[in-house]
Amino acid sequence: GAGVSQSPSNKVTEKGKDVELRCDPISGHTALYWYRQSLGQGLEFLIYFQGNSAPDKSGLPSDRFSAERTGGSVSTLTIQRTQQEDSAVYLCASSLFLGQTSTKQFFGPGTRLTVL
Amino acid sequence: AQKVTQAQTEISVVEKEDVTLDCVYETRDTTYYLFWYKQPPSGELVFLIRRNSFDEQNEISGRYSWNFQKSTSSFNFTITASQVVDSAVYFCALSEFAGGTSYGKLTFGQGTILTVHP
Repeated sequence: GAGVSQSPSNKVTEKGKDVELRCDPISGHTALYWYRQSLGQGLEFLIYFQGNSAPDKSGLPSDRFSAERTGGSVSTLTIQRTQQEDSAVYLCASSLFLGQTSTKQFFGPGTRLTVL
Repeated sequence: AQKVTQAQTEISVVEKEDVTLDCVYETRDTTYYLFWYKQPPSGELVFLIRRNSFDEQNEISGRYSWNFQKSTSSFNFTITASQVVDSAVYFCALSEFAGGTSYGKLTFGQGTILTVHP
């Protein structure tokens, strides 16, 4: 497809379970970002990938959160031992990397995570 | 640290009215980028505009216009002759250059919910 895709669109899980959220960026976009959107905190940055490496993980809220990217394309965000406060919409975005310039980011539709 | 404030939580207008969404930002960086995104009920964030800190020219795109004023650290967004389809949440965002170490990550405001009634 032409845009950023994310799966699943909705995920309901029980507290304490692990979840994996997937992001397929736009082909050719080397920069990939994860954000979280929740009622209390608004839209927050989680992690940034350039290629397969993550030079900025400063937004990950705890060590229960991790992410990887393979082949410079698909990224997976993993939340271990989920807690109710992890309930949010997780958004993925990708962009062209043009030196150090902030280019526009294209967002996916998000994964709505509900932790019971 | 950078911060973006959208003081208007919700705005309600009647179709064809003009509406301005306010955005005030804070940054210590001299090089930065400002963005507006629209989030319709479908949930996907849609890019509207990107402006760098060295370009203070106002911009107009159809019914949309943006007023960037560094003196007041504001980047306001006006919709002229609003339409029902403009109903959405609008986010203002900031990305610092930070010597190349910010990697373009966005700091968002809290968003303004715009409802346009027919």
